Amino acid sequence: QKEVEQNSGPLSVPEGAIASLNCTYSDRGSQSFFWYRQYSGKSPELIMFIYSNGDKEDGRFTAQLNKASQYVSLLIRDSQPSDSATYLCASRVSGYSTLTFGKGTMLLVSP
Amino acid sequence: GAVVSQHPSWVICKSGTSVKIECRSLDFQATTMFWYRQFPKQSLMLMATSNEGSKATYEQGVEKDKFLINHASLTLSTLTVTSAHPEDSSFYICSACCSTNNEQFFGPGTRLTVL
Repeated sequence: QKEVEQNSGPLSVPEGAIASLNCTYSDRGSQSFFWYRQYSGKSPELIMFIYSNGDKEDGRFTAQLNKASQYVSLLIRDSQPSDSATYLCASRVSGYSTLTFGKGTMLLVSP
Repeated sequence: GAVVSQHPSWVICKSGTSVKIECRSLDFQATTMFWYRQFPKQSLMLMATSNEGSKATYEQGVEKDKFLINHASLTLSTLTVTSAHPEDSSFYICSACCSTNNEQFFGPGTRLTVL
C-alpha cells in the first residue's frame, strides 16, 4: 500500500528562521515528489517538485530527496509569517498520473 | 504554473438536488483530471481520476452513481453531485495533469453546502 507520512505539526518557527518539513514514503517505485502549500480554506498550490537524489533550490525553498532512505524534505529559508500554511508532500509512481498525498504539516511562523 | 479554474466557487443547495461543478484547464490540454474532496481540517481525499473520452476511475468507497464525472474534452471535466445530502457538504477540488513535468495543478475549489 502506498503511503506518504508527514508529521501533522504544528511546526512553529520564528520569523527569519529555517523551517524544515519532512516526509517519508513507503513505495520504492515512487519516482517524483511534489511539495504543495495549502492556506486555510484554499486549494493546494505547487511549490516545487524533485525526482533526482540531492537538493533542488528555488528561491527560499530547497527540496531534498534521498531515495535510499525514502525521505523527502522541504527547507524554507528566512521564514515569513506569510509562509504559515499546511504543506503537503506527494509522491508519484513512474507511469502513473495519480499522486499519493501525505496528510500535511502545519507550519506556523511567528513575527 | 498552469491555470485551472473551477465554477462555481461556492454553492448552497437544498437536500435532494443535484449540483454540477466545472473544472477547466485554461492554458494547457489536460489528459487527466482528478477530483478530490476535503472535509474541514482533514487531508485531501482522491475521489476519482478522469481521462478525456473515457469513463472515470473511482476510488474505493466513492459511489460512481452519486458522483457523476464527465471529461468531454481536454480542457473540461465536470463533477455532478446527484441527490445531494448534508453529509456531502465539503470542499471539492479538481486538478489537471499533465504538463511538461507531470505536475498536477489544482483549481481553486468549490465549497458545497447542502442544507
